[in-house]
Amino acid sequence: EAQVTQNPRYLITVTGKKLTVTCSQNMNHEYMSWYRQDPGLGLRQIYYSMNVEVTDKGDVPEGYKVSRKEKRNFPLILESPSPNQTSLYFCASRDRLGDQPQHFGDGTRLSIL
Amino acid sequence: GENVEQHPSTLSVQEGDSAVIKCTYSDSASNYFPWYKQELGKRPQLIIDIRSNVGEKKDQRIAVTLNKTAKHFSLHITETQPEDSAVYFCAASGTNDYKLSFGAGTTVTVRA
Repeated sequence: EAQVTQNPRYLITVTGKKLTVTCSQNMNHEYMSWYRQDPGLGLRQIYYSMNVEVTDKGDVPEGYKVSRKEKRNFPLILESPSPNQTSLYFCASRDRLGDQPQHFGDGTRLSIL
Repeated sequence: GENVEQHPSTLSVQEGDSAVIKCTYSDSASNYFPWYKQELGKRPQLIIDIRSNVGEKKDQRIAVTLNKTAKHFSLHITETQPEDSAVYFCAASGTNDYKLSFGAGTTVTVRA
């Protein structure tokens, strides 16, 4: 089954404690991205990757890092989380062809205390 | 880059009535226009999409229309049901464009 898998689904942690949210896709997609979703603000892109070792900032990259060492994985790293990063996060992937759908993971709800 | 505007931001309809959500885009090179439905706490899910070589597409109670000249596209939901209550997002991208640009979303509430 084609899917994007995120882990963990829920996480409560404290300010400053480094955390990583993993994302994996099994569709051999070149393009992967991370979004955060806050009430009333829609989907805001954090970072994206067009292929292995190719990453770039989205609209709200501050406080986040990513890596793309393998095609299937695109982890999101919060080196020093702060309360304003409390949000619902989605990983997504898409084929390199621009007229194909984007697939979302089930989301990760992060609470930073 | 592409800029997608979506209206209205909220929409309340009586069960059985129709709902229409409209989006405009700025980049004339965009040629792919998907619509996503997001239920509370869940991931956005693709419900229908349209490519620029087509003016209208239907799937049961859902239809999407595209006007490339005016650079706008719309989602139509007929005979609305309570399970249609959700947030709907439109999006746009071009053939050579990896990024999908999203509208801000429309919260649809279907009143029983």
